[in-house]
Amino acid sequence: AQSVTQLDSQVPVFEEAPVELRCNYSSSVSVYLFWYVQYPNQGLQLLLKYLSGSTLVKGINGFEAEFNKSQTSFHLRKPSVHISDTAEYFCAVSYNQGGKLIFGQGTELSVKP
Amino acid sequence: DAGITQSPRHKVTETGTPVTLRCHQTENHRYMYWYRQDPGHGLRLIHYSYGVKDTDKGEVSDGYSVSRSKTEDFLLTLESATSSQTSVYFCAIRVDMTGETTFGSGTRLTVV
Repeated sequence: AQSVTQLDSQVPVFEEAPVELRCNYSSSVSVYLFWYVQYPNQGLQLLLKYLSGSTLVKGINGFEAEFNKSQTSFHLRKPSVHISDTAEYFCAVSYNQGGKLIFGQGTELSVKP
Repeated sequence: DAGITQSPRHKVTETGTPVTLRCHQTENHRYMYWYRQDPGHGLRLIHYSYGVKDTDKGEVSDGYSVSRSKTEDFLLTLESATSSQTSVYFCAIRVDMTGETTFGSGTRLTVV
C-alpha cells in the first residue's frame, strides 16, 4: 500500500539551531512530494513541493527539502529556526501523477528560546 | 483560505444525531476532499469528489456520506454521530494536475 512515514513525531530545537524533519515514502515510479505547515488553530499551508528536475527544492520561510529517489526520502531542512517556526509539519505524496494526497502522521516542531 | 469556506467552524453535538458540515469554494475546481485530523494520525481522507454528483470513498469513510450537487459545494454528513468522530475536519480542493491541494480553515466537531 502507498504510504508516507514521518520518522519523528516531535522535534524540540533551540532558536537559531538547524533542523531536519524526516519523511520517507513508499516507492513508486512517479511521485509528487509536498511539505505543509500547520500553525496552531489554523489550516494547512503549502511550504514547498517537488515535481521534477532539481532535487533541492526551496520553499517559503527559508525552508528547503531534498528529494532522494534511491532512499525514497524527502527531508525538510532549515539552517536556522525561529520561535515563529513552531508548528506541525506534514509530508504528503501524490502518486499516479496528480492523484489525491497521502499524508504522513505529522511532526511537531517546537522551537525554544 | 484561497477561496474555501467551511461552516460551521465549531460544533458540539450529541451522540446519535446527524450532522452536516459544509464546504464552499469560489474557484471552480473539479476535485474536492474531506479529511479528518486526529493526533498521531495526520490527515486521513474520508471522501472525495471529482465532479458534480461524482464521489468516492477514502480510507475512513464508514459513518460518513457526502453530496455534491453543485461544483462549488461539497457537504459531509455524519449519519449518526459517535464520540469517535470527534475531530477536526478539513475541506480541500485540488488546484492543479500535480495534486497540490489547498485547505480550508477546518471545523472542530465535538460529539458528546
